Amino acid sequence: EVHLVESGGDLVQPGGSLGLSCVASGFIFSGYPMTWVRQAPGKGLEWVSTISGSGVSTYYADSVKGRFTISRDDAKSTLYLQMNSLRVEDTAVYYCARTASLWFGELNWFDPWGQGTLVTVSS
Amino acid sequence: DIQMTQSPSSLSASVGDRVTITCRASQGISNYLAWYQQKPGKSPDLLIYAASTLRSGVPSRFSGSGSGTDFTLTISGLQPEDVATYYCQKYYSAPLTFGGGTKVEI
Repeated sequence: EVHLVESGGDLVQPGGSLGLSCVASGFIFSGYPMTWVRQAPGKGLEWVSTISGSGVSTYYADSVKGRFTISRDDAKSTLYLQMNSLRVEDTAVYYCARTASLWFGELNWFDPWGQGTLVTVSS
Repeated sequence: DIQMTQSPSSLSASVGDRVTITCRASQGISNYLAWYQQKPGKSPDLLIYAASTLRSGVPSRFSGSGSGTDFTLTISGLQPEDVATYYCQKYYSAPLTFGGGTKVEI
């Protein structure tokens, strides 16, 4: 069974940094792109970032570009999100999700999702 | 950037009703559209991809249709366990945009 477990969520002050992790199991991690999606309290879903299966290509939402960095360690089957210069509006539950790998690229649908980890940015 | 607009934002229906949710893209996206179900307090689950392909294990009362700019998610025979918020998502190119969601109640 495919399983994704996020961790690292915490309370952090505006301007601070935080790193999230997502440990995957039940599939060949290196064969799939992976994605972070966030959901602010009571709000909808927002795509944050995707990394290709090789790790060579990365994609970011404009709202986080230059502040967040996505990476992966295939030996550990782990996805990361390093978040710097955090803002109040970054407060959200952050989900990692396995991303479909198709002939035309890695920006596809997400299945499955982890349970999420809460990041709160507040003074 | 392509915007995704869902309607309605919420609806209330009875058990057994046919429910239709619409998702409109601001530009044509071929069939590069997925639908997700998010039950209260849970993470989202994939229902449909490529606009009309049902994910394995998803009940057949769920169906999707459309291409280009207009898409529909239909629940044929609403069940109590279908209470959730439903999201469409366009893919293929960045940014990967979600619709605003449709909350379905009974």
